[in-house]
Amino acid sequence: AQTVTQSQPEMSVQEAETVTLSCTYDTSESDYYLFWYKQPPSRQMILVIRQEAYKQQNATENRFSVNFQKAAKSFSLKISDSQLGDAAMYFCAYRRGNTGTASKLTFGTGTRLQVTL
Amino acid sequence: EPEVTQTPSHQVTQMGQEVILRCVPISNHLYFYWYRQILGQKVEFLVSFYNNEISEKSEIFDDRFSVERPDGSNFTLKIRSTKLEDSAMYFCASVRGYGYTFGSGTRLTVV
Repeated sequence: AQTVTQSQPEMSVQEAETVTLSCTYDTSESDYYLFWYKQPPSRQMILVIRQEAYKQQNATENRFSVNFQKAAKSFSLKISDSQLGDAAMYFCAYRRGNTGTASKLTFGTGTRLQVTL
Repeated sequence: EPEVTQTPSHQVTQMGQEVILRCVPISNHLYFYWYRQILGQKVEFLVSFYNNEISEKSEIFDDRFSVERPDGSNFTLKIRSTKLEDSAMYFCASVRGYGYTFGSGTRLTVV
């Protein structure tokens, strides 16, 4: 079974600084997707960024980027120029690749990010 | 941008009662999911639904739980004989390809 591990329960960053959230996963599959979701106090699940395992290039979305190390099964999220609105719970998630049917997401336990002035 | 709509946003029910959580997925999506999140814990998979039948379910999804898509648009999660430990946030998601879209959730409180 696939597992996703987030070893940092809480992180703190000053506004305008950069922070990196860690995620490791375990799978025997070669085709899969990795995601970072943001959950603000409203508790809605918001997709931050997605990485396809077959792509060597790290995904980037504005201030958000990932460091995908497939051999090490590591998928960290870097937030640059942190803003107060980035304060939230961040979940790393894994999904098997396209097998003809969509497959479930497996989530990590989350990292709570605080942004300070 | 298309949205997944969940109602109600908050449901309080007495232990032992039945509840129905409703979701309106995105119209051209084919796969539908329910997840739950107990306060302060991780998000857990409950069930997936495709072509009008369950395609996968977790061990959490016991015989008190059921899902259906009664009218081709709504996607419901029914919980019979609710227990205190069913108190959680329940998220519906609809999927097309690799793109998951989550609803804003229903907070279920069993008292």
